[in-house]
Amino acid sequence: EPEVTQTPSHQVTQMGQEVILRCVPISNHLYFYWYRQILGQKVEFLVSFYNNEISEKSEIFDDQFSVERPDGSNFTLKIRSTKLEDSAMYFCASSVQRTGGEKLFFGSGTQLSVL
Amino acid sequence: KQEVTQIPAALSVPEGENLVLNCSFTDSAIYNLQWFRQDPGKGLTSLLLIQSSQREQTSGRLNASLDKSSGRSTLYIAASQPGDSATYLCAWRGGSEKLVFGKGTKLTVNP
Repeated sequence: EPEVTQTPSHQVTQMGQEVILRCVPISNHLYFYWYRQILGQKVEFLVSFYNNEISEKSEIFDDQFSVERPDGSNFTLKIRSTKLEDSAMYFCASSVQRTGGEKLFFGSGTQLSVL
Repeated sequence: KQEVTQIPAALSVPEGENLVLNCSFTDSAIYNLQWFRQDPGKGLTSLLLIQSSQREQTSGRLNASLDKSSGRSTLYIAASQPGDSATYLCAWRGGSEKLVFGKGTKLTVNP
């Protein structure tokens, strides 16, 4: 069964460093998302991406964050200068259509630890 | 601001028991509601999606219902098994792209 793949599974970085989290969505999906979950808290929406542009973003997704689809298969989340509070599990997700009509498929996540 | 609440936060049952997980939301202008399963160290697996025009969805031993007027959804699990042990999340979607998640119910099914 097709699945969303995320790499790395764990990332440790120093505060102030840049990190890039990578995702390979399901091949025929058109809508891509990043969510995050801080330990013990709810899963939170960060950003949605369609047709090579951001379609919606949350207040969390400030200028330190960016997303890119550099080729036909990868979808990346970049954090320019990491903060301690960026430590969380980051989930990539994709869907064939907007989440109104189709289930969202999530990857296994990247656990980001900022020291 | 939309709030999604799940009760109980944790539930422990013996194998074979039928159980109900609850989800409530404050904004009745719902587009759909999705139930997910989250296993430790793994991602979220979509179980059921209920459109706003639907009252319930079924998949195997799982049945999810939606009552927009009362702002509630329930996930019914029949004949629970140890393999059902996981955290179950509900997620509300309104008119935008984002899903708003509850904090989840951690289910333990004891053999």
